Amino acid sequence: EVQLVQSGAEVKKPGESLKISCKGSGYSFANYWIGWVRQMPGKGLEWMGIFYPGDSDYKYNPSFQGQVSMSADKSISTAYLQWRSLKASDTAIYYCARRLYLDNRPFDYWGQGTLVTVSS
Amino acid sequence: QSVLTQPPSASGTPGQRASISCSGGSSNIGSHPVNWYQQFPGTAPRLLIYNNNQRPSGVPDRFSGSKSGASASLAISGLQSVDEADYYCEAWDDTLKSVVFGGGTKLT
Repeated sequence: EVQLVQSGAEVKKPGESLKISCKGSGYSFANYWIGWVRQMPGKGLEWMGIFYPGDSDYKYNPSFQGQVSMSADKSISTAYLQWRSLKASDTAIYYCARRLYLDNRPFDYWGQGTLVTVSS
Repeated sequence: QSVLTQPPSASGTPGQRASISCSGGSSNIGSHPVNWYQQFPGTAPRLLIYNNNQRPSGVPDRFSGSKSGASASLAISGLQSVDEADYYCEAWDDTLKSVVFGGGTKLT
């Protein structure tokens, strides 16, 4: 059974760093892109970027480039999303989802989401 | 402002048919398959329709998708109260080199 299991909720202060994770199982982790999607409170889905664990290729939404960084450790089938300095506006639920190809396949499995709260 | 345009809301009565539109351009819907996701409050999105009109295993055939040119639509026949959710369209965009989502439609 394909599963993406994300790390638990986080409460952080502005300026702090954070790394959340997304662990895949039940499929060949290296052969699927892992995308990250932000959902701010009461708002829609925003694509942040996508990472290919097989060769570490990646693409960022320009709106998020420089604000976050994506990575993965294929030896433990885990992808990461990282912030160096959080802002209150980073408060949101973050979802990971897998995608076989960038341009003609969907996000077919999603993680349960990680709630990140940034507040002083 | 989302690259793909959806109406913010849609409504229907049980048993009726509802339709949600998704409008894009030549670099996204006009060139690539459209996917649709369903999201209930407090839960992760779920793939509902892929490749314009294909249903993943487990999705009832009451849900159908179509595409024409740079626009797509999701239709739900025999509406049920359990269909109350947010619906999002999505496609790859060649110009932006990005995945793009619609703003979402709340179905009541």
